[in-house]
Amino acid sequence: EPEVTQTPSHQVTQMGQEVILRCVPISNHLYFYWYRQILGQKVEFLVSFYNNEISEKSEIFDDQFSVERPDGSNFTLKIRSTKLEDSAMYFCASSEALQERGPDEQYFGPGTRLTVT
Amino acid sequence: KNQVEQSPQSLIILEGKNCTLQCNYTVSPFSNLRWYKQDTGRGPVSLTIMTFSENTKSNGRYTATLDADTKQSSLHITASQLSDSASYICVVLPDGSYIPTFGRGTSLIVHP
Repeated sequence: EPEVTQTPSHQVTQMGQEVILRCVPISNHLYFYWYRQILGQKVEFLVSFYNNEISEKSEIFDDQFSVERPDGSNFTLKIRSTKLEDSAMYFCASSEALQERGPDEQYFGPGTRLTVT
Repeated sequence: KNQVEQSPQSLIILEGKNCTLQCNYTVSPFSNLRWYKQDTGRGPVSLTIMTFSENTKSNGRYTATLDADTKQSSLHITASQLSDSASYICVVLPDGSYIPTFGRGTSLIVHP
């Protein structure tokens, strides 16, 4: 069964450093998403991406964040200058269609645990 | 402000028993409601998706109900198994955009 994969599984970085989290969505999916979950808190939407553009983003997704689809398979989330409060689990997800065209199942990856020290 | 409230916060049941988890939301306009299962340290896995016109949807031993008038949903788990131990998350999506509102989840523990 196809699945979303994410690397690395755990990333430790120092405050102020740039990090890139990587995701490989399911191959025939066209819509990609990033979420984060701070330890013990609820999952929060960051951004949706389609056709090489950001479709929507939340208030959390400020200028420190960027997303990119550098090739036909990878989808990345970059945090330019990490802060302590960026420590969280980051989940990538993909779906065949955007929910505006009718609810579509999203498949989540296993997550990358980011620890900022 | 869009909100999703889930209850109970945590629940412990014996293997083989049934349980029902609740979700109340204030998201408007409403598009669809989703229930996810999240094992510790893993990504959420979709259980059901319901639009406003659907009152109930089943996925194996999981049955979700939706009352769009009262803005309430429930997830019923039948004949629980040890592997059902997880967090169950209710997510509501608005009509016209994709910015979902997540609940905090109900932590379910199934004991043998």
